[in-house]
Amino acid sequence: QVQLAQSGAEVKKPGASLKVSCKASGYTFSDHHIQWVRQAPGQGLEWMGWINPNSGGTKSAEKFQGRVTMTRDMSINTAYLELSGLKYDDTAVYYCAREGPEVPFDYWGHGTLVTVSS
Amino acid sequence: QPVVTQPTSLSASPGASAKVTCSLRSGINVGPYRIYWYHQKPGSLPRYLLTYKSDSDNQQGSGVPSRFSGSKDLSTNAGLLLISGLRSEDEADYYCAIWYRSTWVFGGGTKLTVL
Repeated sequence: QVQLAQSGAEVKKPGASLKVSCKASGYTFSDHHIQWVRQAPGQGLEWMGWINPNSGGTKSAEKFQGRVTMTRDMSINTAYLELSGLKYDDTAVYYCAREGPEVPFDYWGHGTLVTVSS
Repeated sequence: QPVVTQPTSLSASPGASAKVTCSLRSGINVGPYRIYWYHQKPGSLPRYLLTYKSDSDNQQGSGVPSRFSGSKDLSTNAGLLLISGLRSEDEADYYCAIWYRSTWVFGGGTKLTVL
């Protein structure tokens, strides 16, 4: 079955960077984009970007351009999200999700809570 | 003004129907867009419900009851999620999403209360 296993919760200081991993299993990793979505406490879903594991090509939301880097390691079926210059309002649960053939976010990782605190 | 706007909250009684709206910004015609609907219960992951573009172009998520359906109101430029026969377990946050200018855009979410 499709599974997306994410790295554990982190606490970061303002100005630092975060790196979240998302290990895929149960399907062919190269066949589906990995999407990144975040959700601040008590807030809605916010799309951050996607990576095409096959080509390594990425697309990010304009809001995060210049701060976000998405990469993948095909040898271990894992996608990564890096976000630099962390601010307090980057505190959120960061999700990876698979882009299915007809559904943009068909399987979700369990989420990674990142807390930005001094 | 956001690309997509949803009402913050909505309440309805058990057994009644609810309509969740997903309004597109003026100048963005809802007609050509597929509207994707998700819901998220407290402490849970978002779950895909359905997609609606037109009566001939729509899709129900696996295991999603037929009580959930999609529609559009072209007069108000909005996508609609219709839930009939409301049950207490339908209480959740409901999100719409569209593919706009090569990016995904979520609505802010609507908290549905069944009381």
